[in-house]
Amino acid sequence: NAGVTQTPKFQVLKTGQSMTLQCAQDMNHEYMSWYRQDPGMGLRLIHYSVGAGITDQGEVPNGYNVSRSTTEDFPLRLLSAAPSQTSVYFCASSYSAGKGEKLFFGSGTQLSVL
Amino acid sequence: AQKVTQAQTEISVVEKEDVTLDCVYETRDTTYYLFWYKQPPSGELVFLIRRNSFDEQNEISGRYSWNFQKSTSSFNFTITASQVVDSAVYFCALRLTNFGNEKLTFGTGTRLTIIP
Repeated sequence: NAGVTQTPKFQVLKTGQSMTLQCAQDMNHEYMSWYRQDPGMGLRLIHYSVGAGITDQGEVPNGYNVSRSTTEDFPLRLLSAAPSQTSVYFCASSYSAGKGEKLFFGSGTQLSVL
Repeated sequence: AQKVTQAQTEISVVEKEDVTLDCVYETRDTTYYLFWYKQPPSGELVFLIRRNSFDEQNEISGRYSWNFQKSTSSFNFTITASQVVDSAVYFCALRLTNFGNEKLTFGTGTRLTIIP
């Protein structure tokens, strides 16, 4: 039972490079989201999706793109990495949106932008 | 807009002491859910509990207990007879239920250190 799988676990980028953080869930969850965790700031929502083909911005969306072509996958793209994007990124999913379901989290991706 | 405040940034207690982690939330919605997550040193986020806004009964699970009071908008978490394995960052979170606003809003977390 894989749950929410994030890859890679660690990544180092140079300023200006682009990359995609992968997130996949095998629980047939409608709702998927991306958070970033920074010291002293808790977890902040970047983007979320309430179903395939539907995405929306969260609290800190600038510099990130997402798409949801399938129920299972929700990749996060950094278009031109900046040092301010150094953070730990978590993907999370829940069975549905709008019903207070608990979120299941991936193990995180530690990203450093030099 | 909703907000969750965890005023205690760091707490240290000696093993076997009781400790309470505070959580205060703000929302204008009448239907919402409150959560506690634990983040041990390994980094993953572990779900501990979910409460809905209509259920103010306190809950106990082993050494863990939660006190939900709508009158003070608080959802506090108490660990009784703390153990070293309880050392972690604990997050309180709030989730609304209306379409378009289903995000989980986290507090900034409380780092709990249990001293052996």
